[in-house]
Amino acid sequence: DTEVTQTPKHLVMGMTNKKSLKCEQHMGHRAMYWYKQKAKKPPELMFVYSYEKLSINESVPSRFSPECPNSSLLNLHLHALQPEDSALYLCASSQDLTSGNTIYFGEGSWLTVV
Amino acid sequence: DAKTTQPTSMDCAEGRAANLPCNHSTISGNEYVYWYRQIHSQGPQYIIHGLKNNETNEMASLIITEDRKSSTLILPHATLRDTAVYYCIVRSRTFSSGSARQLTFGSGTQLTVLP
Repeated sequence: DTEVTQTPKHLVMGMTNKKSLKCEQHMGHRAMYWYKQKAKKPPELMFVYSYEKLSINESVPSRFSPECPNSSLLNLHLHALQPEDSALYLCASSQDLTSGNTIYFGEGSWLTVV
Repeated sequence: DAKTTQPTSMDCAEGRAANLPCNHSTISGNEYVYWYRQIHSQGPQYIIHGLKNNETNEMASLIITEDRKSSTLILPHATLRDTAVYYCIVRSRTFSSGSARQLTFGSGTQLTVLP
């Protein structure tokens, strides 16, 4: 089973709302990732967690707040977003951060900020 | 991490082999070549990866040139469902906190399989 599950699939939120995107994997992977993808563009890395600790933050604005409560779960908390933050948010996981370990992606959460 | 160059788009007739090229002339000895594809509105799907030798799995074959500066992904019998954006990525064998681009996507190739 190489499944990464993301919820919700679609989310519409106002600029003053607080919401969260959730990601879950049961492959025993210890590295998890958040990517953002705008229309007709490639995915862009946002955050990387390794063994539940934040390893990489690609200078993401603080209105995006990641959380890794345990090795199977990864959340992305959203607050005071802007319309330009509307995008497909992809979660991914891999066995760990060492080489040759394939990164598996979820189907993404479509976010619309109004 | 090395950068990759791919054609923007390609067409292929259904049932024929699709050969997708990728240039990674600055690849170093410790970098893998990975291929992913993304069908419209879905998450990227892993296809295959390799270091030096050619690789084959149930989805595709990966041919890496001897100097490792380029590679070709081969879909042996393309179907309409293979229409997607195909990404070629190079990824370091070792991870360091300074190597932030664990998996950096280039622009990819839009492959359209025609009936």
